[in-house]
Amino acid sequence: EAGVAQSPRYKIIEKRQSVAFWCNPISGHATLYWYQQILGQGPKLLIQFQNNGVVDDSQLPKDRFSAERLKGVDSTLKIQPAKLEDSAVYLCASSLDRNNEQFFGPGTRLTVL
Amino acid sequence: SQKIEQNSEALNIQEGKTATLTCNYTNYSPAYLQWYRQDPGRGPVFLLLIRENEKEKRKERLKVTFDTTLKQSLFHITASQPADSATYLCALARTGGFKTIFGAGTRLFVKA
Repeated sequence: EAGVAQSPRYKIIEKRQSVAFWCNPISGHATLYWYQQILGQGPKLLIQFQNNGVVDDSQLPKDRFSAERLKGVDSTLKIQPAKLEDSAVYLCASSLDRNNEQFFGPGTRLTVL
Repeated sequence: SQKIEQNSEALNIQEGKTATLTCNYTNYSPAYLQWYRQDPGRGPVFLLLIRENEKEKRKERLKVTFDTTLKQSLFHITASQPADSATYLCALARTGGFKTIFGAGTRLFVKA
C-alpha cells in the first residue's frame, strides 16, 4: 500500500513570506496529524483532524499557521508570515482511526532565512 | 506541565547485546504508549503500541513494558544488530489519540 505522501520535500523562504505544505494520507485513514520537529527534538503535534473536522489544534500558533483537510482526504498546512523560529521539519501522519499507530510521511524541511 | 523524558545520552552497545531504552513521563495519563524508530532525514516508523491495561508486548526482537504506577516504559531490542542503529522515540496519547506527545528520542549506536 502507498505510504503518506508529502510535498515539497524541501523549502527555503525569507522571513515574512508565506509557505504551504501538502499531505496525502494513506487511503482510508480517517485521522490526520501535522507535527513540527525542530532539530534534536521530538515531533510536536500542531493539529489533528478526524475526517475533515479538527479535533485538536491547541498547539497550533493560529496567528500565523492554518490547516485544512478538504473532503477528509488531502490536507494543507500554511504559514503566513513565516518567522525564523519556524525552521523545522513538518511531518504529516495518518492513522486508520484515532487509537491506532500513526504512519508518517517523509516530512518537509523548511528553512526560514 | 506534561513532560516525557528519554535517555538524553546516546546509547552505545555491542552487536548481539540487548539494548534497553527508557521513557519516563509526568503529569500525563496516557491511554496508550507507542515506540517509533527514526532514521536521519526520514519520518518516524511505528514499532509497537501498548495500552494502559497491558504490562508487556513483544514483536520479534522487540519488547516493551509499560508501568503506569512508575510512569515508565522500557523498550528492549534483543540480539541487537548494526542495522538497529537509529533514534528511538516514545509517544503517549490519550483515548482517541488526543494530545499525542513525543519524547526527544534516544540515539542508539550498535557496533559490529
